[in-house]
Amino acid sequence: NAGVTQTPKFQVLKTGQSMTLQCAQDMNHNSMYWYRQDPGMGLRLIYYSASEGTTDKGEVPNGYNVSRLNKREFSLRLESAAPSQTSVYFCASFPRTLNSPLHFGNGTRLTVT
Amino acid sequence: KQEVTQIPAALSVPEGENLVLNCSFTDSAIYNLQWFRQDPGKGLTSLLLIQSSQREQTSGRLNASLDKSSGRSTLYIAASQPGDSATYLCAFRGGQTYNTDKLIFGTGTRLQVFP
Repeated sequence: NAGVTQTPKFQVLKTGQSMTLQCAQDMNHNSMYWYRQDPGMGLRLIYYSASEGTTDKGEVPNGYNVSRLNKREFSLRLESAAPSQTSVYFCASFPRTLNSPLHFGNGTRLTVT
Repeated sequence: KQEVTQIPAALSVPEGENLVLNCSFTDSAIYNLQWFRQDPGKGLTSLLLIQSSQREQTSGRLNASLDKSSGRSTLYIAASQPGDSATYLCAFRGGQTYNTDKLIFGTGTRLQVFP
C-alpha cells in the first residue's frame, strides 16, 4: 500500500552540482507529474507525463529534465543546480480517469547553496 | 491565464467553530475542482472532488460546493477540531479551454484550530 514513493526525502547541493529525484507509483496510474512548492507561490507544474513514453513541459520547466522510465517511474533531473531551485518537490500520479483524484508523494526538500 | 485564488491565506479559530474556506477561479471552463489537505512536511491528501456537473460533495464533517457561474468553490468544515489544523489547497482541472492533464493550484489556506 505504498502509493507514490519519492527519494530522497532531503538533499543539500552546491551550486552547479547535479542530481536526480526519483519517483515511483504502484497504482498502475498512467499519468505522472512533478511539482515544486515555494512559499506564497503554491504548487507549480514542472513537467508531466500523460502516459508511458510521453513527457511535456509544465509552467516552470527551465533547468530541469525528466524521464518516464516505465509506467511506474518518473524521474526529475537537475543538471546544474541553482539556488533558485531550492524548493520542495512533489511527485504525483493520476489514473487518467478524469474524475479521479491526484495522489501525491511526501516530497523531497532540496536546498541549493 | 487561469488563476486560482484562496482566501483567507491563514485562519486561526477555537475548537468547535464552523469554518468556510474560499477558492475562486477566473474561467468557468472547469472539468472538476479538488480540495486537498497538506500537513507540515507531508504531501497532499485528496479530500473531495467536485465534478463540473455537481454542486456539492460531502465527506464526514467536510462539505465542498461549486458555483461555476461565479467561479467559486467553498470548503465547509463543521465543528472544527485541533486535528483539522493543516493547509487546505484547492486545485482546478480545466475543461475545453485548458489542458485537462494539468491541475492549477491555489496558494492554500493555513488553518489552525486551538483547543
